[in-house]
Amino acid sequence: DAKTTQPNSMESNEEEPVHLPCNHSTISGTDYIHWYRQLPSQGPEYVIHGLTSNVNNRMASLAIAEDRKSSTLILHRATLRDAAVYYCILRDYGGSYIPTFGRGTSLIVHP
Amino acid sequence: EPEVTQTPSHQVTQMGQEVILRCVPISNHLYFYWYRQILGQKVEFLVSFYNNEISEKSEIFDDQFSVERPDGSNFTLKIRSTKLEDSAMYFCASSEAAWEQETQYFGPGTRLLVL
Repeated sequence: DAKTTQPNSMESNEEEPVHLPCNHSTISGTDYIHWYRQLPSQGPEYVIHGLTSNVNNRMASLAIAEDRKSSTLILHRATLRDAAVYYCILRDYGGSYIPTFGRGTSLIVHP
Repeated sequence: EPEVTQTPSHQVTQMGQEVILRCVPISNHLYFYWYRQILGQKVEFLVSFYNNEISEKSEIFDDQFSVERPDGSNFTLKIRSTKLEDSAMYFCASSEAAWEQETQYFGPGTRLLVL
């Protein structure tokens, strides 16, 4: 089973960088690492995903450890609109491979 | 920008009744999903659907649940005989390719309350 561990919550000030960690020590070699976020009262929203190399897009960067047992989502300049629950998602085997959300990290952004 | 839509936004039903939740995925997407989120809890995968059949399902997706793509645009989740514990937010999602390597786009959800 590919389990993920994330801190329950983190805080940041507006316009500062935020590093959201995720541990996935049982990840298999072919598992992509996905990050989604969920703003209050909304459906999850894709942020970024990667396999081995670090990835960048307009929303964030994803830094993946060399051994792939952990990753960090980086928001370069947090805004109030980034306040959300951030989920690190891998596939999990429970009879078949399915996407498994953990409890995520609740990011609080202070003005 | 294309988006996934869901109807209704809220549904209240009596225990034992059948409910059908509707979703319109993004038009060129081939993979479709249902998730649920009980209030205050994590998002849980229910089922994925590709090429007119279920490709994966979780333990939650038992015989009370079924999915259908009746007309090439809608994607529905049916709960045959609702229980109190089915009260949750249900999210539909779609993607161009299998979720492991592709972005899933989620709808706004249907809040189901079973009394």
